[in-house]
Amino acid sequence: EAGVAQSPRYKIIEKRQSVAFWCNPISGHATLYWYQQILGQGPKLLIQFQNNGVVDDSQLPKDRFSAERLKGVDSTLKIQPAKLEDSAVYLCASSKGQGRSYEQYFGPGTRLTVT
Amino acid sequence: DAKTTQPNSMESNEEEPVHLPCNHSTISGTDYIHWYRQLPSQGPEYVIHGLTSNVNNRMASLAIAEDRKSSTLILHRATLRDAAVYYCILRRDTGNQFYFGTGTSLTVIP
Repeated sequence: EAGVAQSPRYKIIEKRQSVAFWCNPISGHATLYWYQQILGQGPKLLIQFQNNGVVDDSQLPKDRFSAERLKGVDSTLKIQPAKLEDSAVYLCASSKGQGRSYEQYFGPGTRLTVT
Repeated sequence: DAKTTQPNSMESNEEEPVHLPCNHSTISGTDYIHWYRQLPSQGPEYVIHGLTSNVNNRMASLAIAEDRKSSTLILHRATLRDAAVYYCILRRDTGNQFYFGTGTSLTVIP
């Protein structure tokens, strides 16, 4: 079974530029998550999708971050414009469902450096 | 958020058992206890989860206290590949946050 795919793996941009990350979840997984992991900290949930609908985006900085999951499969996370504090690893995860007993499967992440 | 408390770091000798503790005194009756680990430069990896009873799988065992206010992840024979940050997480439906915290950094000594 193929895992969660993410691209690119690394990205370096200047502040105020835009950037987009792509995620392809495990086939058949209805729930998709985006996390932000700052160096030395645990991952922080940014947004959760159930199929193509948003379940939770309470910690997404909506003035600069946006995410979509068209057709309920792939997802894109965008930052526009980027700030220095956005430097982090962006992790995508998927699970079969959103219930509390389901495990999440994580991709390798995209390491973003904002200069 | 349902918070957990873990030691910042632990060490273990290779091929010896490791007991990683987690306190979750605010756990509610329907919260599941999940454990994930994150190897260097990788995304987190699911290890095990449970509700009330102790659980075993090929990776580890999870021992849950009778009052559910604490749990222990047990690695039966630590290997160098087990060196990682281990996260104890409470998963509940209400609020739906999957809060990782800072976890326990496990060092395995050859």
